[in-house]
Amino acid sequence: AQSVTQLDSHVSVSEGTPVLLRCNYSSSYSPSLFWYVQHPNKGLQLLLKYTSAATLVKGINGFEAEFKKSETSFHLTKPSAHMSDAAEYFCVVSDPGGYNKLIFGAGTRLAVHP
Amino acid sequence: GAVVSQHPSWVICKSGTSVKIECRSLDFQATTMFWYRQFPKQSLMLMATSNEGSKATYEQGVEKDKFLINHASLTLSTLTVTSAHPEDSSFYICSASDRLNYGYTFGSGTRLTVV
Repeated sequence: AQSVTQLDSHVSVSEGTPVLLRCNYSSSYSPSLFWYVQHPNKGLQLLLKYTSAATLVKGINGFEAEFKKSETSFHLTKPSAHMSDAAEYFCVVSDPGGYNKLIFGAGTRLAVHP
Repeated sequence: GAVVSQHPSWVICKSGTSVKIECRSLDFQATTMFWYRQFPKQSLMLMATSNEGSKATYEQGVEKDKFLINHASLTLSTLTVTSAHPEDSSFYICSASDRLNYGYTFGSGTRLTVV
């Protein structure tokens, strides 16, 4: 069965400093992995996705994630945080056995301080 | 890019009434649509998966008679919350999948408040 674990429920950084949001996955298949961002009372926006191509995936707004099979990790990073990055971030894996439905992690709330 | 329109964005209804939420894919054919529920400060919980022209597949614990899902066309899916009660108050989000491009696009969500 597929699952994801987001290791931090809250992360707080100062503006201009690096961001690291951690995610570990469990999958019986070669996984497809995603990071989504959600601002308050809004839908979800795709930041990036990994689908067995390059292990370093670049996304929008300066975010990137590296797929590490040996560590079963897919951590999200950004070199320099911006105030507008404050939001909820979800690490997601797709389940090819169930209409490719998405399985969400619990989420990480990112706070950015001036 | 792919766009999913979800309406209404918010709705307040009286207990015992029914509410319909629409999810439309505007520029692609959504072979599969997903409906999620999100409680405050929590993650998304998948309620059901629907494929065009067939019955929805509900996740364990989700009442199919209470949450009616219709996916009559490749661009429209609806979720009807029947006989709504205050405990049904939540944020509902749809997602449409285009298998050809293997993408998932989310609607902007509907805040349902039952009073």
